[in-house]
Amino acid sequence: QVQLVQSGAEVKKPGASVKVSCKASGYTFTGYYMHWVRQAPGQGLEWMGWINPNSGGTNYAQKFQGWVTMTRDTSISTAYMEMSRLRSDDTAVYYCARGDVQLGHDHWGQGTLVTVSS
Amino acid sequence: EIVLTQSPGTLSLSPGERATLSCRASQGVSSSYLAWYQQKPGQAPRLLIYGASSRATGIPDRFSGSGSGTDFTLTISRLEPEDFAVYYCQQYGTSPITFGQGTRLEIK
Repeated sequence: QVQLVQSGAEVKKPGASVKVSCKASGYTFTGYYMHWVRQAPGQGLEWMGWINPNSGGTNYAQKFQGWVTMTRDTSISTAYMEMSRLRSDDTAVYYCARGDVQLGHDHWGQGTLVTVSS
Repeated sequence: EIVLTQSPGTLSLSPGERATLSCRASQGVSSSYLAWYQQKPGQAPRLLIYGASSRATGIPDRFSGSGSGTDFTLTISRLEPEDFAVYYCQQYGTSPITFGQGTRLEIK
């Protein structure tokens, strides 16, 4: 069965960077885009962008361009999302989600809480 | 970007009742690439409906989606206790992908 398993919670200081991983199993990793979505405490869902694991190509929401980087390692079927210059309002749960052209986001990781606090 | 507006913000109903949730887009949604997700506290969202009206794998048939263009609806025919949650619509046909702000379905 399809599974997306994310790395554990992180606590970072303002200005630091964080890298969240998402390990995929149960399907061909290079066959589906991987998306990242975040959710601030008590708030809604915000799409951040996607990576094409086959080519490494990316597409970021304008808000995240220049300070979010999505990468992948096909040898271990893992996608990564790195954020730099963290601020307190980046405190959120970050999800990876498999993207299907027809279905949308059909499988989600369990989420990674990133807390930014001095 | 396409802005999705969900209504109502909160819906208070009893088990067994029918729920109707609305999602309106600021411009037409491409090829009905409109999805609905359910999210319970502390959990990741779960895909319910894709392509505006197709149920995802394992979703009970009390959930149905309809609509096209700019107006979409999620209907839950008879509410079960486990259906009380937050529901989000999403358009995934045009970049950037966008979500509605959510409708909270609570027990009356």
